[in-house]
Amino acid sequence: QQKVQQSPESLSVPEGGMASLNCTSSDRNFQYFWWYRQHSGEGPKALMSIFSDGDKKEGRFTAHLNKASLHVSLHIRDSQPSDSALYFCAASGTQVVGQLTFGRGTRLQVYA
Amino acid sequence: EAAVTQSPRNKVAVTGGKVTLSCNQTNNHNNMYWYRQDTGHGLRLIHYSYGAGSTEKGDIPDGYKASRPSQENFSLILELATPSQTSVYFCASGDAGRGETLYFGSGTRLTVL
Repeated sequence: QQKVQQSPESLSVPEGGMASLNCTSSDRNFQYFWWYRQHSGEGPKALMSIFSDGDKKEGRFTAHLNKASLHVSLHIRDSQPSDSALYFCAASGTQVVGQLTFGRGTRLQVYA
Repeated sequence: EAAVTQSPRNKVAVTGGKVTLSCNQTNNHNNMYWYRQDTGHGLRLIHYSYGAGSTEKGDIPDGYKASRPSQENFSLILELATPSQTSVYFCASGDAGRGETLYFGSGTRLTVL
């Protein structure tokens, strides 16, 4: 069973619209969560991390974490064509070395 | 910004041949990782290292070896390449500690014929 599950698999939103991505974990050892973004032909790049319950906002991006339900979401407001990419949710436990577990990704397409 | 460089960018190998993928980081990070990315599977951890001289098995280590001769360099070795190892491979480094962020290279696309 996939320990980190993402939905939807793909998402298409208009420029200026809101994109909402979801992630659920099945492992209660996971305490730390990230969103990584990967543009075509590049490696993944960390977008933002969230370690505490509640919201974390960085510019147009807002992450929300609910540890009780092991659910984390990412909301992108005022979506831009440059936001078109593959978004990964990743999680790790309390061990010192990262050993991130990644979801399968959500492909976001922002159209003009 | 953190710099992780992978070589080669593309590699074509024959079944049964030996393949070495190289990774260099200039961040002075202790931890380094090798992942492979396949459609429908996301990123899966192959091997990782805590520092020079150490290598550990990740989630899918079968068919792969790793080598960490120095703080900066981490190699992934396929002794007998198989077509099922056709994939995109990513190296990453992290600065250790709980909740570390990983910095990825640009990847190596490996095709095994």
